[in-house]
Amino acid sequence: KAGVTQTPRYLIKTRGQQVTLSCSPISGHRSVSWYQQTPGQGLQFLFEYFSETQRNKGNFPGRFSGRQFSNSRSEMNVSTLELGDSALYLCASSRGQPLTDTQYFGPGTRLTVL
Amino acid sequence: QKEVEQNSGPLSVPEGAIASLNCTYSDRVSQSFFWYRQYSGKSPELIMSIYSNGDKEDGRFTAQLNKASQYVSLLIRDSQPSDSATYLCAVNRLARSGNQFYFGTGTSLTVIP
Repeated sequence: KAGVTQTPRYLIKTRGQQVTLSCSPISGHRSVSWYQQTPGQGLQFLFEYFSETQRNKGNFPGRFSGRQFSNSRSEMNVSTLELGDSALYLCASSRGQPLTDTQYFGPGTRLTVL
Repeated sequence: QKEVEQNSGPLSVPEGAIASLNCTYSDRVSQSFFWYRQYSGKSPELIMSIYSNGDKEDGRFTAQLNKASQYVSLLIRDSQPSDSATYLCAVNRLARSGNQFYFGTGTSLTVIP
């Protein structure tokens, strides 16, 4: 069974630009969550999508947005990039079922903002 | 108060020793508990999940859960240099908006050859 895939793996942008990251979950998984990870900050939750609807949202500015498609693939968009947006962006998928739900992570997209 | 708390470490153990990693969580309605391993520059990899009180063993790894004390631990027996990584504790609780996962900031483990 294929794991979670993320594209691109590496990205270099300049301040003010926008970026779109993509995540394909494990087959059969309907929930996709996005996290930002920076050194010393741990995993910061961005948002979660389930069946094309944003179900949960973390404390990030509106420049960070996302969506989910009918095939459960998800995209995350960051507009007007800032230097502080440089981070590893991780996508995690799960079935979305209660009690035994388990998140599996993709390899991440390393974003560098210059 | 953070949802999930871990000692950041670093924790150093000699090769062959037992490494003990600890985690506490704040919400009693948390229902599922996980340990992830993250190598530097890589994404978190699931090691163990545990749902009920007691111990769960998988190879050299043992997860322990004590819901009354809101405490989860991970024991790594016969530690190997390849176990050197950051270990993330995570909990999942069912909220009105669906499952919510919370992660600790991780404990850095170094196994010294």
